[in-house]
Amino acid sequence: EVQLVESGGGLVQPGGSLTLSCVVSGFSFSSYWMSWIRQAPGKGLEWVANIRQNAGDKYYMDSVKGRFIISGDIAKNSLYLQMNSLRAEDTAVYYCARVDSGYNYGLYYYYGLDVWGRGSTVTVSS
Amino acid sequence: QSVLTQPPSASGTPGQRVTISCSGSNSNIGGNYVYWYQQLPGTAPKVLIYRNDQRPSGVPDRFSGSKSGTSASLAISGLRSEDEADYYCSSWDDSLSGWVFGGGTELTVL
Repeated sequence: EVQLVESGGGLVQPGGSLTLSCVVSGFSFSSYWMSWIRQAPGKGLEWVANIRQNAGDKYYMDSVKGRFIISGDIAKNSLYLQMNSLRAEDTAVYYCARVDSGYNYGLYYYYGLDVWGRGSTVTVSS
Repeated sequence: QSVLTQPPSASGTPGQRVTISCSGSNSNIGGNYVYWYQQLPGTAPKVLIYRNDQRPSGVPDRFSGSKSGTSASLAISGLRSEDEADYYCSSWDDSLSGWVFGGGTELTVL
């Protein structure tokens, strides 16, 4: 069974740091792009970051560039999101998700997010 | 302000057919697949439709998706009370190199 399980959320003060983890099982972690998606209380879904495991390609939304770092450990089948300089507006449930993608003639094509974890809650407050 | 535009709410009575629209641009829906997600209260999003019009195993055929140009739509026929949820459309955006989502549509079964 394909499964994603997030952990590491909690309460942190503004300006603080937190690292989220996502342990995956049931598929070859190194073969997939992975994403972090967040959802603020009562709000919609918002993409945060993407990573291609075996090449280290990484993409971030503008508001987290320079503050968040996405990474992966293939040996541990784990995805991470290191969050620094946290702000109140970063308060959200953070989901890790597997990317459905294709590769053709040297280009990647990104289709959608086909498996999601249950999420980990991050609250930034003093 | 979401990149993809969905109506904030929709409603119908049991057995009715409801359609939810999703509007984007050439950099997202116009050149990429659309996914639809269903989110029940307090739970993670679940894939309802993938690659525009495909249903994962386990999703009833009451749910269908379509795409035309820079717009997409989700249709739910034979509406049931358990369909009450938030529905989100999503697509890859070539300009942002990331995923964009609609603001979500809250479906109420009257």
